[in-house]
Amino acid sequence: EPEVTQTPSHQVTQMGQEVILRCVPISNHLYFYWYRQILGQKVEFLVSFYNNEISEKSEIFDDQFSVERPDGSNFTLKIRSTKLEDSAMYFCASSLGTLENEQFFGPGTRLTVL
Amino acid sequence: AQSVTQPDIHITVSEGASLELRCNYSYGATPYLFWYVQSPGQGLQLLLKYFSGDTLVQGIKGFEAEFKRSQSSFNLRKPSVHWSDAAEYFCAVGAWSFGNEKLTFGTGTRLTIIP
Repeated sequence: EPEVTQTPSHQVTQMGQEVILRCVPISNHLYFYWYRQILGQKVEFLVSFYNNEISEKSEIFDDQFSVERPDGSNFTLKIRSTKLEDSAMYFCASSLGTLENEQFFGPGTRLTVL
Repeated sequence: AQSVTQPDIHITVSEGASLELRCNYSYGATPYLFWYVQSPGQGLQLLLKYFSGDTLVQGIKGFEAEFKRSQSSFNLRKPSVHWSDAAEYFCAVGAWSFGNEKLTFGTGTRLTIIP
């Protein structure tokens, strides 16, 4: 069964460093998403991506964040200068389309900023 | 803006007992509602979804949920839980804009099963 994969599973970084979280969506999917979950809090939408551009982003997704689909298979989330409050589980998701199409989630990357 | 409330942070039930997890939503239009389950170390897996039609929806693993517009609720039920059902359960409402479906999640309910 096709699945969304994410690497690394756990990333530890120093405050101020840049991190790139990687995702491989399901191959025929067209819509891509990043969500995050701070420990003990709800899963929050960060950004959606379609046709090589951002479709929508939340207020969390400020200038420190960027997304890219550098090739036909990867979808990345970059945090330019990490802050302590960026520590969270980051989930990638993909879907075939909108509305009634299921979003498939990856297992997540736990980011720890020291 | 849409929101989801899951009032129960943690529920413990005995194996074989029935289960109901509560979910209330706030959304201005007809909602698209979802229940996801997350096992430790795993991603979020879709259990079931409601878009329209029959307000009682069936999902995987023997789960069902009932949409009640008058109560703004979408409670998840299972008649008899199994030890493998122990996990975190998330209710979500989908908002469609600009061709994308953004999910807004509740805080989750952790389910513990005792023998």
